Amino acid sequence: GEDVEQSLFLSVREGDSSVINCTYTDSSSTYLYWYKQEPGAGLQLLTYIFSNMDMKQDQRLTVLLNKKDKHLSLRIADTQTGDSAIYFCAEKRGTGGFKTIFGAGTRLFVKA
Amino acid sequence: SQTIHQWPATLVQPVGSPLSLECTVEGTSNPNLYWYRQAAGRGLQLLFYSVGIGQISSEVPQNLSASRPQDRQFILSSKKLLLSDSGFYLCASQGMGETQYFGPGTRLLVL
Repeated sequence: GEDVEQSLFLSVREGDSSVINCTYTDSSSTYLYWYKQEPGAGLQLLTYIFSNMDMKQDQRLTVLLNKKDKHLSLRIADTQTGDSAIYFCAEKRGTGGFKTIFGAGTRLFVKA
Repeated sequence: SQTIHQWPATLVQPVGSPLSLECTVEGTSNPNLYWYRQAAGRGLQLLFYSVGIGQISSEVPQNLSASRPQDRQFILSSKKLLLSDSGFYLCASQGMGETQYFGPGTRLLVL
């Protein structure tokens, strides 16, 4: 199938780490993405990982990819109230393909 | 990097009225262009994509249509809006790289 699945909600306290999980189905995925959407805005690309990588770190963000289990996670260290948003996992299948398949998004609530 | 413009930002239209949403792209040539709809609290639904001028692929049967009159211009239209057309419409562009970049979106409310 075409599913990219994410849990719908995550709530954390300010200063804690957030881990947002995603599973996908297609083993031919080449790029996997995390986008952030703030209220009323478009999607902002946060980070991406190529399918031959296991981990990518970018400041407070760490992406882990388990290709065997088709599992992708986004860890946000020292979560701040400004991190409250919807986070979309997405996969790109094959090179030069037209479609990126998006999950339904995980809404992150950060409590002060 | 690419910049995607969408307008209007917000639109309130009566049922049965026509619709035209515009998206333009800067910073890339011959991109793949996409229209998505996001219903309130939901994920993204791919509506149309285009790999070149005049080339439109529709993902779901619906009341909407798309056109690409120029390389970096993508238009979403309807002849008669339905209540169910309400939502947040996002345009995206994929240039030479593999990544899609998004515009700021248009919020459409059909009353």
